Amino acid sequence: NAGVMQNPRHLVRRRGQEARLRCSPVKGHSHVYWYRQLPEEGLKFMVYLQKENIIDESGMPKERFSAEFPKEGPSILRIQQVVRGDSAAYFCASFETGLKTQYFGPGTRLLVL
Amino acid sequence: AQKITQTQPGMFVQEKEAVTLDCTYDTSDQSYGLFWYKQPSSGEMIFLIYQGSYDEQNATEGRYSLNFQKARKSANLVISASQLGDSAMYFCAMRGSPLGSGGSNYKLTFGKGTLLTVNP
Repeated sequence: NAGVMQNPRHLVRRRGQEARLRCSPVKGHSHVYWYRQLPEEGLKFMVYLQKENIIDESGMPKERFSAEFPKEGPSILRIQQVVRGDSAAYFCASFETGLKTQYFGPGTRLLVL
Repeated sequence: AQKITQTQPGMFVQEKEAVTLDCTYDTSDQSYGLFWYKQPSSGEMIFLIYQGSYDEQNATEGRYSLNFQKARKSANLVISASQLGDSAMYFCAMRGSPLGSGGSNYKLTFGKGTLLTVNP
């Protein structure tokens, strides 16, 4: 997975709680993409960030979801007031201009009870 | 908008035989890139192979080759000499701006995947 780290790997939340998912890209990469994979589905794009900027959030639900990629530290995907339908695997992918492909992290499996 | 279609929910192949996984795509972009990823049961996404829309030759990476037919908008993955470890979900994906095109948003659109089972 070329050094992309995500934590936690598994997260269990009750309905109404908050989920915070972290992604540390490959060192030197300044682009981060978040994708969501529902059971039995392919990955779906959520948001694209560069350091301190949200470039494209067209795939992210307008309510309860937010993302950031600060100058220092990991990228954070935050889900407020989780519902059962948020249960999914959330992948981040790290990228830098000139590379052939994005490098995916191992994913965070979110289970909402 | 971009769309990827994988029509084979599941495929079976005997060990050591070759298998083709189908992928068709739809896009209005003139330049694009096509990818295949493997997702084993452990869940990580493993990059296999890439084809740019202007690449004249089909991409190959070891036992993986991409049968790119631009006019038919297909990008099938061929796995030669299948191994038991090839059993996994396989996803076809595309992005709108391939390397060097000047585009800056490389978000990927994925198909629903094909579950490949290699039998001993």
